[in-house]
Amino acid sequence: DGGITQSPKYLFRKEGQNVTLSCEQNLNHDAMYWYRQDPGQGLRLIYYSQIVNDFQKGDIAEGYSVSREKKESFPLTVTSAQKNPTAFYLCASKYSGGVNNEQFFGPGTRLTVL
Amino acid sequence: RKEVEQDPGPFNVPEGATVAFNCTYSNSASQSFFWYRQDCRKEPKLLMSVYSSGNEDGRFTAQLNRASQYISLLIRDSKLSDSATYLCVVLFGNEKLTFGTGTRLTIIP
Repeated sequence: DGGITQSPKYLFRKEGQNVTLSCEQNLNHDAMYWYRQDPGQGLRLIYYSQIVNDFQKGDIAEGYSVSREKKESFPLTVTSAQKNPTAFYLCASKYSGGVNNEQFFGPGTRLTVL
Repeated sequence: RKEVEQDPGPFNVPEGATVAFNCTYSNSASQSFFWYRQDCRKEPKLLMSVYSSGNEDGRFTAQLNRASQYISLLIRDSKLSDSATYLCVVLFGNEKLTFGTGTRLTIIP
């Protein structure tokens, strides 16, 4: 089955710790994205990557870092510099060619800072 | 003004009724438009893209009005399974989607 996987589903972190959220896709999509969703707010873009070894900051990149060493993988690190990290994190991907611009989402990771 | 605005609801609608949502966007150069559906504590899933001529998929109809900068979603003969949050999504430029905060719909038996 083709799709996007995220792990873990739930993650608990102590203040001051860095954590890395996994995102993997086997859809052969070129572009990958990270969003966070907070209650009552729309999804906000953290980072995105259109090709391997390249990525750009989104609207709320402070306190986060990413890497794109493989086409299939786009891990997100939530650092201790992120002041309010508790949120629902969603990874998405899309094919960059053609006219369709739909993004497809993974099941998400719920991060809670204790 | 928010880039993409939606009425947050909630909309409580009896089963079988017709319900419509509107969404307005601020950037007149927006290129692509979508409706996503998000169930509680789940990821958003694409419901339908919205084309200039309007498009229909079963009980769902989407319309785009570029002059007034709004898109709409109409759900006919609503089912209990239609209960969800509906996200209006707009593409500015080539890669970045902007999401509305969503409209929450509950279908009442």
